[in-house]
Amino acid sequence: AQRVTQPEKLLSVFKGAPVELKCNYSYSGSPELFWYVQYSRQRLQLLLRHISRESIKGFTADLNKGETSFHLKKPFAQEEDSAMYYCAQNNNAGNMLTFGGGTRLMVKP
Amino acid sequence: EADIYQTPRYLVIGTGKKITLECSQTMGHDKMYWYQQDPGMELHLIHYSYGVNSTEKGDLSSESTVSRIRTEHFPLTLESARPSHTSQYLCASTEGNTEAFFGQGTRLTVV
Repeated sequence: AQRVTQPEKLLSVFKGAPVELKCNYSYSGSPELFWYVQYSRQRLQLLLRHISRESIKGFTADLNKGETSFHLKKPFAQEEDSAMYYCAQNNNAGNMLTFGGGTRLMVKP
Repeated sequence: EADIYQTPRYLVIGTGKKITLECSQTMGHDKMYWYQQDPGMELHLIHYSYGVNSTEKGDLSSESTVSRIRTEHFPLTLESARPSHTSQYLCASTEGNTEAFFGQGTRLTVV
């Protein structure tokens, strides 16, 4: 079964510090990977997907097939980045979206 | 407006009652999902559907059942609610391999 692992439940950094939220996946095919974010009192929403290779709100994520990782990075964290972040993967058929356990990012002033 | 709706937002119910959590989307998406979000905020897939008359169980075993008679509607039913069912339930939909859209969630408390 496909599995997504986010080893850190909580990540606390100061404003302006670099951030890296770790994600490892287990699907042996060619997965489609995503990062979703849930701000306080808001719905879970897409932050970015690996196929787009884009930067959203200063965040980027690189797929490393050798390490089966898809870590989320931002060079300078902002207080408004505080939220729950979930890494997710689709199987090849795109019909089973599996999430990691989530990492709570707290950015302190 | 194209969206995905869940009702009710909050539900407190007694043990043994039958409940149905509603989920409707107006985006015409084929794929729909139910997730259970633990108090520790982990998300577990409990049911999904490829389209009308298709339902599958997810990674997390659940005593709930689902149905997909219409594309836009994917209700989840608990025949006999128990305190262990207390959780937040999130519904989502996607088209192909695109972004998943989530509802606001239903926070269920069984007393």
